[in-house]
Amino acid sequence: EVQLLESGGGLVQPGGSLRLSCAASGFTFSSYAMSWVRQAPGKGLEWVSHITSSSAGTDYADSVKGRFTISRDNSKSMLYLDMSSLKAEDTAVYFCAKRSGGVQYILDSWGQGALVTVSS
Amino acid sequence: DIQMTQSPSSLSASVGDRVTITCRASQSIANFVNWYQQKPGKAPKLLIYAASRLQSGVPSRFTGSGSRTDFSLTISSLQAEDFATYYCQQSYSNPLTFGGGTKVETK
Repeated sequence: EVQLLESGGGLVQPGGSLRLSCAASGFTFSSYAMSWVRQAPGKGLEWVSHITSSSAGTDYADSVKGRFTISRDNSKSMLYLDMSSLKAEDTAVYFCAKRSGGVQYILDSWGQGALVTVSS
Repeated sequence: DIQMTQSPSSLSASVGDRVTITCRASQSIANFVNWYQQKPGKAPKLLIYAASRLQSGVPSRFTGSGSRTDFSLTISSLQAEDFATYYCQQSYSNPLTFGGGTKVETK
């Protein structure tokens, strides 16, 4: 069974930094691309970032580009999101999600989410 | 960016009702649409991928249809566990974008 478990969320001041982690199990982590998706309180889903299986390629939403960095450690089955210069509008639950194989970008498994609150 | 417009934003229904949610893309996206269900405080769950393919383990009362710009998710006979929020998502081009969601509430 695929399991994704986020950690590292919390309260951070505007301008601060935080690292989210996602521990993966139940599948061959090194074979799949991964994404981060966030959800502001009471709002819809927003894709944040993507990384290929080998880390050769990454992509970011314009809203976080230059401030967030996605990375992974395939030897540990871990996905990361380093967030800096945080703003109040980054307050959200952050989900890590696994991309299924194939041509289309389908998020077939999701973690339970980690809450990040940016506030003074 | 491709905009995904869902309607309605909310609806009230009863157990046993047939429910249809629509999603319109701002440009043609072939069949590059997925549908997710989310319950309060929980992660989204994949229901339908590639517009009409049922994810393994998802009940057959869920069906997806459509192509190009117009897509729909239909629940043939609403069950108690189906009260949730539903999102469409396009994967035709980067960035991935989601519809605004449709909340299915009890009447």
